[in-house]
Amino acid sequence: DGGITQSPKYLFRKEGQNVTLSCEQNLNHDAMYWYRQDPGQGLRLIYYSQIVNDFQKGDIAEGYSVSREKKESFPLTVTSAQKNPTAFYLCASSVLYPGEAFFGQGTRLTVV
Amino acid sequence: AQSVSQHNHHVILSEAASLELGCNYSYGGTVNLFWYVQYPGQHLQLLLKYFSGDPLVKGIKGFEAEFIKSKFSFNLRKPSVQWSDTAEYFCAVKQTTDSWGKLQFGAGTQVVVTP
Repeated sequence: DGGITQSPKYLFRKEGQNVTLSCEQNLNHDAMYWYRQDPGQGLRLIYYSQIVNDFQKGDIAEGYSVSREKKESFPLTVTSAQKNPTAFYLCASSVLYPGEAFFGQGTRLTVV
Repeated sequence: AQSVSQHNHHVILSEAASLELGCNYSYGGTVNLFWYVQYPGQHLQLLLKYFSGDPLVKGIKGFEAEFIKSKFSFNLRKPSVQWSDTAEYFCAVKQTTDSWGKLQFGAGTQVVVTP
C-alpha cells in the first residue's frame, strides 16, 4: 500500500537522551515535513525538505535535527537540547506543487 | 513571517446546525489553501483544497470553503452537521511563490457536535 509510515507509534525516553523518529514514504513525493502537535497549538513546523540532501528549518527547529539522504526517508532526531520534547510528532509528504500533504499516523514521544 | 489564524478554538453545536469555521492568513502572494480534519484517534485527512479557479470549493462529507482573496480568508462551512463531524479542523496554507513551499497550519478548531 502507498503511504507514509512513522515508527514507532509510542516512544518513551529518559531525559537527556537523543531519540530518532522514523518516517518513510513510498509515494515518490519530493517534499517531506515534520510537525509537532500540542493541544491548542495546532501543527507547528519543525523541518521540511524539498529535495534529497537539503532541508530547511521550520518555526521550531531548535533542539531537533533531520537528514534527507534518500527521497523516501526523513528521520527526525529529538536531541537533549529540546527543552520540552514530550509531544505528538507528525510526518507528512507532498508533491512540490500544488502540494497537498499526506500524513503518517504519528509518533507520541514521552520523555521521563 | 506567514501566519495562519483560526478564529475559534472550540465550537459546540447541535446536530443539524450549520457550521462555519474562520481561517485567515497573512501572506500576500499566491497561495494554495487546505482544510484538514482529524477525527478522534485518527490521522489527519484532507477535507478540501483550493489551488486556483472557482473560489468556492467543495470537499468530502458535505463540506465547502470559500476563498476570498481580498480578505485573505478561506472559511469552512457545512450547512447541517452530524454527530460524526466531531473532530479537530485545521486550516493550512502553502506559498506557491516561495520556492521552498512551506506548508503552515493554524492552531485548529475543536468541534463538538451534540446529538
